[in-house]
Amino acid sequence: AQSVTQPDIHITVSEGASLELRCNYSYGATPYLFWYVQSPGQGLQLLLKYFSGDTLVQGIKGFEAEFKRSQSSFNLRKPSVHWSDAAEYFCAVGAQGGSEKLVFGKGTKLTVNP
Amino acid sequence: KAGVTQTPRYLIKTRGQQVTLSCSPISGHRSVSWYQQTPGQGLQFLFEYFSETQRNKGNFPGRFSGRQFSNSRSEMNVSTLELGDSALYLCASRLARNADTQYFGPGTRLTVL
Repeated sequence: AQSVTQPDIHITVSEGASLELRCNYSYGATPYLFWYVQSPGQGLQLLLKYFSGDTLVQGIKGFEAEFKRSQSSFNLRKPSVHWSDAAEYFCAVGAQGGSEKLVFGKGTKLTVNP
Repeated sequence: KAGVTQTPRYLIKTRGQQVTLSCSPISGHRSVSWYQQTPGQGLQFLFEYFSETQRNKGNFPGRFSGRQFSNSRSEMNVSTLELGDSALYLCASRLARNADTQYFGPGTRLTVL
């Protein structure tokens, strides 16, 4: 069965520092991969997605992610974190080869220190 | 274009009652999915509707049901509520069945006492 692992439950970084959130997935074929962000009391906002093509994808708010098939990873990065990036981040894979029936990781909560 | 809207935003019920949550997708979107988010289990897929038909179903008991109307609006119903049903219920819409992105609403926070 498809699964997503986000090894880091909580990460704290200083404002202006770089950020990398880890995501490992389990899926037999080329996956549809997503990163979503959730602010407290809010729904999920799509940051970026990968289906095929260039393995480095750019998203909103200055985020990017790199798909590495050999490592089954899809890590999210940002070169310089802003205080407003504090939120919970979820990696997801489409369980049926598309964007339906998403399987989510448990999430990584990001705290940003001033 | 307005996003996905969910009503009500907050709901308090007692055990044994039933509840109905509503979701209006983005205009023109025809696929609606529901997810349950709890601290323990995280985000879990409930079901997906397209053209008023359930197309996918997650691993939830039959107490959880849904439907979709001809205008693509969707409702989900939970009968005989249990304490463990307390969760944030998120609705997401897609343009079509083969669309590549789900757009989420703000969720309905259900508390079961």
